[in-house]
Amino acid sequence: EVQLVESGGVVVQPGGSLRLSCAASGFTFDDYTMQWVRQAPGKGLEWVSLISRDGGTAYYADSVKGRFTVSRDNSKNSLYLQMNSLRTEDTAFYYCAKGPAAILDWGQGTLVTVSS
Amino acid sequence: AIQLTQSPSSLSASVGDRVTVTCRASQGISSALAWYQQKPGKAPKLLIYDASSLQSGVPSRFSGSGSGTDFTLTISSLQPEDFATYYCQQFNSYPYSFGQGTKLEIK
Repeated sequence: EVQLVESGGVVVQPGGSLRLSCAASGFTFDDYTMQWVRQAPGKGLEWVSLISRDGGTAYYADSVKGRFTVSRDNSKNSLYLQMNSLRTEDTAFYYCAKGPAAILDWGQGTLVTVSS
Repeated sequence: AIQLTQSPSSLSASVGDRVTVTCRASQGISSALAWYQQKPGKAPKLLIYDASSLQSGVPSRFSGSGSGTDFTLTISSLQPEDFATYYCQQFNSYPYSFGQGTKLEIK
């Protein structure tokens, strides 16, 4: 069974930094491209980032480009999202997701709150 | 970046109704479109991929059609468990994007 478990969501001040983690199990992690998707409370889904299987290629939404960095450690079956220069509008549930395109497998999400 | 516009943003319908949700892309995306269902407090659930392929385990009352810029999700006969919010997503080019969502409510 595929499991994706996000962690690291906390309350952080505007301008601060945070790193989210996603622990993957139940599949061969380095066989899959991975994504991050977020959802502000009560709002719609927003695609955030994608990273290739070997971690060599990454893509970002315009809203986070230059501030967020996605990475992975295939030896630890883990996906990461380093978030810098956080803004109040980054407040959201952040979901880790498996696959290069349409997403079948999602984590349960971790809540990041950016507030002073 | 490709923008996806869903219509309507909200919809009231009754059990047994046939419902159609539309997703329009700002430029052609071939068939690189998925549809998701989301219920409160839950992660989205994949219903349709590649515009018209039904994900395994999803009831056959759900169907998708379209290519290029215009897509539809149809529920042939609404069931009580179908009242939720629906999103389209394009994966034709980066950055990927979602529609703003369509909330389906009970009339």
